[in-house]
Amino acid sequence: GIQVEQSPPDLILQEGANSTLRCNFSDSVNNLQWFHQNPWGQLINLFYIPSGTKQNGRLSATTVATERYSLLYISSSQTTDSGVYFCAAARGSYIPTFGRGTSLIVHP
Amino acid sequence: DAGVIQSPRHEVTEMGQEVTLRCKPISGHNSLFWYRQTMMRGLELLIYFNNNVPIDDSGMPEDRFSAKMPNASFSTLKIQPSEPRDSAVYFCASSSEIAYEQYFGPGTRLTVT
Repeated sequence: GIQVEQSPPDLILQEGANSTLRCNFSDSVNNLQWFHQNPWGQLINLFYIPSGTKQNGRLSATTVATERYSLLYISSSQTTDSGVYFCAAARGSYIPTFGRGTSLIVHP
Repeated sequence: DAGVIQSPRHEVTEMGQEVTLRCKPISGHNSLFWYRQTMMRGLELLIYFNNNVPIDDSGMPEDRFSAKMPNASFSTLKIQPSEPRDSAVYFCASSSEIAYEQYFGPGTRLTVT
């Protein structure tokens, strides 16, 4: 199946800073999702982005399918952005494979 | 839409007891997934269903675990007998098709003492 790697594994920011999270995948995909797991454990859908760029407030994501990576941008980070960010990729009719996540801590 | 619904949200039980976790997927979704999350092993896929049929249960850790989906709006994950190492957060997720966008429920935090 697809291999999914996320980087960095851990990230510590000061409130107001910008950051970029990366998700690399080993094969072409037709499904790429970004999730945020908040400190209460809820897994929240951020983006469904098999290709192209999307923006939602301070967050945006870009997937370059031909080069097999996706980026999640967080601008003007806030303490509520803390948590773990997961990407999940799927190819064809196979189930999505999750990366191990990037743990983000935003200090006030 | 109410999203994926799971119950109970928290379960504390003694070793050896039977535990049943419940999930109601998003209406109209054909695929349902059960995951387990622990600090040590991260997020693991246990089993998934498509059109109420179990497709792959290779992630189910032992015969003590079983899952059913009697209809399109309900699924259960049962552990019998439960053991302390089963303590984890169990998530249910659904999607319109197997490879499409998944939506997660709030999870059930299971503690086996």
